[in-house]
Amino acid sequence: DAKTTQPPSMDCAEGRAANLPCNHSTISGNEYVYWYRQIHSQGPQYIIHGLKNNETNEMASLIITEDRKSSTLILPHATLRDTAVYYCIVRVVGLIQGAQKLVFGQGTRLTINP
Amino acid sequence: DARVTQTPRHKVTEMGQEVTMRCQPILGHNTVFWYRQTMMQGLELLAYFRNRAPLDDSGMPKDRFSAEMPDATLATLKIQPSEPRDSAVYFCASGSDGGGPGGYTFGSGTRLTVV
Repeated sequence: DAKTTQPPSMDCAEGRAANLPCNHSTISGNEYVYWYRQIHSQGPQYIIHGLKNNETNEMASLIITEDRKSSTLILPHATLRDTAVYYCIVRVVGLIQGAQKLVFGQGTRLTINP
Repeated sequence: DARVTQTPRHKVTEMGQEVTMRCQPILGHNTVFWYRQTMMQGLELLAYFRNRAPLDDSGMPKDRFSAEMPDATLATLKIQPSEPRDSAVYFCASGSDGGGPGGYTFGSGTRLTVV
């Protein structure tokens, strides 16, 4: 799986949009971008994933650059409960050998300030 | 919401004792993972199964760790003998092939302390 690079920490004011960047310059054409988050001492929680088009769900939006070498997770109106470690992961999807694996990096520790 | 159930939530044991952690994946999920999380190493993949067959356990210390799926509703991770360096939070996760539209679902973890 391609390696990702994320800033170790970020701050954001409550009510503002939180934009979390991720670089994945070695991503392959068949690799998806996944985002998970981990709120203190809980198990990681799936947020969103995408291949090349921008995606939106009830939790967040995912913007992937045209060359797919980077992406941004957007939490449109951050709340204190969004304080967590956010992980960006790239992986293939399907029944290819090893495709099921999720390999976590160090992530970005996002702190939402009142 | 369907959830992955892990037991026990907390376990304190003495060095040298056997420890068994259990995981009940979400009904219908055919992929199960075991992860270990420490402050120093972060989230490490220990092993994973697809359709109850082990696909990869290269992240697991083979001499003391073993992972099994005796049936589709139960996954176990066993440490024998346990050592203080095994102290960590152990997470189980389940999902459908490829992760599905909802990705993988993680349990709340078992916090293991070996003294």
